[in-house]
Amino acid sequence: KNEVEQSPQNLTAQEGEFITINCSYSVGISALHWLQQHPGGGIVSLFMLSSGKKKHGRLIATINIQEKHSSLHITASHPRDSAVYICAVKSGGSNYKLTFGKGTLLTVNP
Amino acid sequence: GAVVSQHPSRVICKSGTSVKIECRSLDFQATTMFWYRQFPKQSLMLMATSNEGSKATYEQGVEKDKFLINHASLTLSTLTVTSAHPEDSSFYICSATTDNTGELFFGEGSRLTVL
Repeated sequence: KNEVEQSPQNLTAQEGEFITINCSYSVGISALHWLQQHPGGGIVSLFMLSSGKKKHGRLIATINIQEKHSSLHITASHPRDSAVYICAVKSGGSNYKLTFGKGTLLTVNP
Repeated sequence: GAVVSQHPSRVICKSGTSVKIECRSLDFQATTMFWYRQFPKQSLMLMATSNEGSKATYEQGVEKDKFLINHASLTLSTLTVTSAHPEDSSFYICSATTDNTGELFFGEGSRLTVL
C-alpha cells in the first residue's frame, strides 16, 4: 500500500467547474507539497503546507494534520489547468526525502 | 520565484554510451539537490540526494556506479548515466532546495531515450 494515496486517479471536468483532488497519507509528516506536471513533463511546485490553508489565485490547498488528509481545490477551472497533480509528503527529520502519490490526471474541457 | 534549469531537455543516445544531464539553480544557492526518475504513468522515484561538496546518497536499488552524481558547486549538479541501456530510457528530473525555507524547486526534466 502506497504511503500517499490520491483520489481520483483521473478527473474530467467542464470549463468553469470547481475541482477537488484529495490526498491521504499514512505517515507522520512535516510538510506536504502539491505539484503540477504538464504533458511536457516539467514540474511546478504549487504549494507547500504544514498546517491550515493556502490560496494562490484560483488554487486553494488545505491540510488536516490530525486526519492525515489534504485537498487541492481549483475554482473556475480552465483547459490550461489540465495536467497531472501530484501530492508529495516530507516526513520529519532533516532529510528532504519526499514520498509521492501516483498523481491525478485532470482534463478540463472547453 | 526560484528557477531550476535542466539540460538537455531531450537526449537520444546509442546503447553503451554515457549521457550527462545538468541541473542548475539559476537564482539561488542550492545546498541540496535531488535526482528522480519517472517511468510513463508512474510516480516520481527518488534516485539520490546530493549535497554540495560531498558524495551523493543513493536510494536502495540505484546503482551508484551507473548513475554518477556530482554536485561540485552550489548551483550545479550533474547526473551521468554510464553505459546506457534501453531500460535506462526514462524521464529524469532534478529538484533543489536551499534548506532555509524548506521549499523545493523542480527542473523541467530530461527525457532520455537509449536506442
